[in-house]
Amino acid sequence: AQSVTQLDSHVSVSEGTPVLLRCNYSSSYSPSLFWYVQHPNKGLQLLLKYTSAATLVKGINGFEAEFKKSETSFHLTKPSAHMSDAAEYFCVVSDPEEYGNKLVFGAGTILRVKS
Amino acid sequence: GAGVSQTPSNKVTEKGKYVELRCDPISGHTALYWYRQSLGQGPEFLIYFQGTGAADDSGLPNDRFFAVRPEGSVSTLKIQRTERGDSAVYLCASSPTLAGRNNEQFFGPGTRLTVL
Repeated sequence: AQSVTQLDSHVSVSEGTPVLLRCNYSSSYSPSLFWYVQHPNKGLQLLLKYTSAATLVKGINGFEAEFKKSETSFHLTKPSAHMSDAAEYFCVVSDPEEYGNKLVFGAGTILRVKS
Repeated sequence: GAGVSQTPSNKVTEKGKYVELRCDPISGHTALYWYRQSLGQGPEFLIYFQGTGAADDSGLPNDRFFAVRPEGSVSTLKIQRTERGDSAVYLCASSPTLAGRNNEQFFGPGTRLTVL
């Protein structure tokens, strides 16, 4: 079974408009959830993480995500896209009881920002 | 401070050859992880170490793959008799302790392996 599903492989927005990258997860226990960003030829960088505290999580560069247990979702949003946001984004789940100590990645969403 | 480093950044080899990929974790991090990212996919777990021992190697695809961390710091991923399907970006990550609910894994830039 797919542990993390990123619903869109590609998202295209205009600069200055909102960004929504969708993620659904499956976990029988209480997961932690992360969003990582990968710019071309660069390493993975953590944007934000949810670890059972506040359900609305704020990250770097104006991104935020809301953990909704009833919907098993952890969608990433940003009010206004910038050209520098163009990259690939990965939703990631961590649940030691279910997956051990590894991170389980979604397939990724490529964000394109048009000028 | 210095992040996770990986060498080489690129490796081109021929089918059937042996390769070694190196990872230098962040100083003081006891947990080290290897992932593989194939084209168009998210990273997939291979193996992780707590100290010198492999705590979970369930992601290694077959016995051609092996990894060591003899002194609890630098790790080497070894691939024997490489196949074209091994072509991917190999990512290394480290964390201060075993990553779980509250710890972040810090990733290196990866080694892009191409098997011709």
